[in-house]
Amino acid sequence: QVQLVESGGGVVQPGTSLTLSCAASGFTFTSFGMHWVRQAAGKGLEWVAVIWYDGSYKFYADSVRGRFSISRDNSKNTVYLQMNSLRAEDTAVYYCAKEVSSSSFGDSWGEGTPVTVSS
Amino acid sequence: QSALTQPASVSGSPGQSITISCTATSSDLGGYDSVSWYQQYPGKAPKLLIYDVNNRPSGVSNRFSGSKSGNTASLTISGLRTEDEADYYCASYSTTGIVVFDGGTKVTVL
Repeated sequence: QVQLVESGGGVVQPGTSLTLSCAASGFTFTSFGMHWVRQAAGKGLEWVAVIWYDGSYKFYADSVRGRFSISRDNSKNTVYLQMNSLRAEDTAVYYCAKEVSSSSFGDSWGEGTPVTVSS
Repeated sequence: QSALTQPASVSGSPGQSITISCTATSSDLGGYDSVSWYQQYPGKAPKLLIYDVNNRPSGVSNRFSGSKSGNTASLTISGLRTEDEADYYCASYSTTGIVVFDGGTKVTVL
């Protein structure tokens, strides 16, 4: 069965960096785009970024563009989210999710990894 | 500011049908044919209920259905059950490649 496992979350200070990982298994990783979605405590879902199946295209939410970078290692079945210049408002649970098609995603999700940005 | 708007809350009694609307307010959402709906329980990851307006993933109950008219997509839950009490989100891809979520709708089963 499909499994997505996020890791790398933690407590960091504003202005610092953190890299999240999402290890995938149970499907042909090289055939699907991967997304990151976050959710602050008590708030709604916020889409963060997507990377195409081959890494050729990447798109970002306005709130993170220029600070966050999504990448993937298809040899390791892993997608990453490098987060730089972190702000308090980046505090959230970060989920990775698998693409369904080029126009939809989320038939599988990880359990999420929490990120807290605080001084 | 989200380019998708939906009601903050919707309620219904067991057995009833309820409909959650999701209206696109931005032309960046193009043909708006890439609408998905998600269900989320507190502290849990979201679950995909509907994709591409009206397609149900395998394993999702047929009590959940999606439709679209103009710039408004809708999720209908038929035969409402207590376990349907959750938060529901719609999302859509934009013409620029990004994805937009709405603010979510809390469904209460009376």
